[in-house]
Amino acid sequence: EVQLVESGGVVVQPGGSLRLSCAASGFTFDDYTMHWVRQAPGKGLEWVSLISWDGGSTYYADSVKGRFTISRDNSKNSLYLQMNSLRTEDTALYYCAKDIQQLVPYDAFDIWGQGTMVTVSS
Amino acid sequence: SYVLTQPPSVSVAPGKTARITCGGNNIGSKSVHWYQQKPGQAPVLVIYYDSDRPSGIPERFSGSNSGNTATLTISRVEAGDEADYYCQVWDSSSDHRGVFGTGTKVTVL
Repeated sequence: EVQLVESGGVVVQPGGSLRLSCAASGFTFDDYTMHWVRQAPGKGLEWVSLISWDGGSTYYADSVKGRFTISRDNSKNSLYLQMNSLRTEDTALYYCAKDIQQLVPYDAFDIWGQGTMVTVSS
Repeated sequence: SYVLTQPPSVSVAPGKTARITCGGNNIGSKSVHWYQQKPGQAPVLVIYYDSDRPSGIPERFSGSNSGNTATLTISRVEAGDEADYYCQVWDSSSDHRGVFGTGTKVTVL
């Protein structure tokens, strides 16, 4: 079964740091571009970042650029999001998601995890 | 930045047809993907590349894209179709960024 499981979400103070993880299983992880997407409570979906299958390309939403860093470890079938200088507006459920096709960037997201909640509050 | 506009809500009676629009500048030149999200659940892909359906998605779900509007059509609506729906494209004008629409709440009367 294809599965993505996020972890690492907690309550953190403004200005703090956090690292989210996403464990992948059931597919050839290093063939797919991976993404982080977030959803603030009661709000819509917001794309956050992507990383290519080999880690060679990364892109970020303007709202997180310079503060968040996406990475992956293909030997561990894992995706990460390092979040620094956190703001209250970063409070959201963070999903990891995979591209629908192998070795094709900027694609549809066919598999999503259940999300991990990040709350930024003093 | 590229903006996708959806109606906040659409109401439809069971058995009828729901149409959800997604407006964007020359969106017909982009590939549009659609997601369904039920309360407390992760989004599910229902249409990709404008009109393709992933395996397991009923034929009642279809999509089209032309000009400045993409449309998700749900035929013979069922109570289980009640959910939020989001369109999504890639904006590669200056950098590569994913863009989601504002979302549409579909209510089955």
